Amino acid sequence: DGGITQSPKYLFRKEGQNVTLSCEQNLNHDAMYWYRQDPGQGLRLIYYSQIVNDFQKGDIAEGYSVSREKKESFPLTVTSAQKNPTAFYLCASSRQGANDGYTFGSGTRLTVV
Amino acid sequence: KQEVTQIPAALSVPEGENLVLNCSFTDSAIYNLQWFRQDPGKGLTSLLLIQSSQREQTSGRLNASLDKSSGRSTLYIAASQPGDSATYLCAVTLIKAAGNKLTFGGGTRVLVKP
Repeated sequence: DGGITQSPKYLFRKEGQNVTLSCEQNLNHDAMYWYRQDPGQGLRLIYYSQIVNDFQKGDIAEGYSVSREKKESFPLTVTSAQKNPTAFYLCASSRQGANDGYTFGSGTRLTVV
Repeated sequence: KQEVTQIPAALSVPEGENLVLNCSFTDSAIYNLQWFRQDPGKGLTSLLLIQSSQREQTSGRLNASLDKSSGRSTLYIAASQPGDSATYLCAVTLIKAAGNKLTFGGGTRVLVKP
C-alpha cells in the first residue's frame, strides 16, 4: 500500500543536540511538507519542497533544516538553535497542484530531556 | 492572510445524534478544502476533499458541503458512534499560496458518549 512513513515515532533530544526526523513516501508525490503541532495551536508549516533539490521556508523555519535529495525522502533536522522543539511533527505529501489533496504520516513526537 | 476558524472547539453528543462541524475561511480563492480526522497522538487521516468547483462530497455517513462565496464548509456525520470521537480539522489550499500550502483551522474535538 502506498503511504507516508515517519520514523521514529518517539524521539528524545538533549540540550544542544541536533536530531533528524525521517519522512519517506511511496506515493510518487512531487511535493512534501513538514508541519509542527503544539497543544492548543493549529498546525504550522516549517518547510516544504515541490521538487527534488529544492525547498522553501514555511512560517516557522528558524531552528530547522531540511534536504530533498530524493523524491521519496524529506528528512527534517531540528537543530540546537530551535529553543522550544518539544512538539508533534507531521510530514505530508501531495501531487503537484494538490488536486488530490494531501496525505499525512503518523507523526513523530519529539521531547527535550 | 487566510484565516481558518472552526467552531465549536469542542463538542459532546450522545451516541446516535448527528454531528455538525463548522469551518469558515476568510479568502474564498481556494483550490480545495479538505477535512481530516486526528486521533490522540496519531497523524491526520483524510476524510473528504472538496474541489473549489464542487458544492459537496459524501462518503458513507459523512457529508461535507462547501459555500465559497460565504467562506464556509460544514461536515455532517450521521448517526454518530463512540468510534467517531476524535479531533476534526479542516484545511484549505489557497490559489495564490506558494507551494500549495495548507492552512488549517484549530480543530473541533468531538466526544460521542455511549
